[in-house]
Amino acid sequence: EVQLLESGGGLVQPGGSLRLSCAASGFTFTSSAMDWVRQAPGKGLEWVSVISASGGTTYYADSVKGRFTISRDTSRSTLYLQMNSLRVEDTAVYYCAKALGYSSGEGLDKWGQGTRVTVS
Amino acid sequence: QAVLTQPSSLSASPGASASLTCTLRSGIDVGTYRIFWYQQKPGSPPQYLLKYKSDSDKEQGSGVPSRFSGSKDASANAGILFISGLQSEDEADYYCMIWHSSAWVFGGGTKLTVL
Repeated sequence: EVQLLESGGGLVQPGGSLRLSCAASGFTFTSSAMDWVRQAPGKGLEWVSVISASGGTTYYADSVKGRFTISRDTSRSTLYLQMNSLRVEDTAVYYCAKALGYSSGEGLDKWGQGTRVTVS
Repeated sequence: QAVLTQPSSLSASPGASASLTCTLRSGIDVGTYRIFWYQQKPGSPPQYLLKYKSDSDKEQGSGVPSRFSGSKDASANAGILFISGLQSEDEADYYCMIWHSSAWVFGGGTKLTVL
């Protein structure tokens, strides 16, 4: 069974930093691209970033480009999101999601339970 | 204008059918995109329902009932999630998603009420 367990969320002041982690299990981590998607309170889904299975290709939403960095550690089967220069508008639940395939753009089929980030 | 537009809400009766639309912005041809659909219930993460590009390029999510199906309306430049035999448990938010310009884009979501 695929499991995605996010951690690292919390309360941070504007301008601060956080690193989110997503521990993956139940599938071949090196065969799937991975994404971060967020959801502000009472709002819809907003895609944040994707990293290919190899880690060689990354893409970011314009709203986080230059501030957030996605990475993955295959030895730990863990996905990361380093968030710097945080803004109030980054407040959201952050989900990690497993892609349907090796590359970005292949759809997301499994999601974690999310970790809450509050910037205030 | 948003890339993907969904009606904010839709109501239907138990046992009836519902068509949820996802309209692509003018200039973006629905025929060239795979459209992904997700269901989200309060307090839970989204669940993958299906993807649809054409009748020969589609996939049902694992364990997703066949009551859920995808299609397109080329004349409206829209993707459609069709739910037949509505049940109370289908009450949820539904999101469409496409890969556009090297980014995932979500529609604003449709809140489906079954009453």
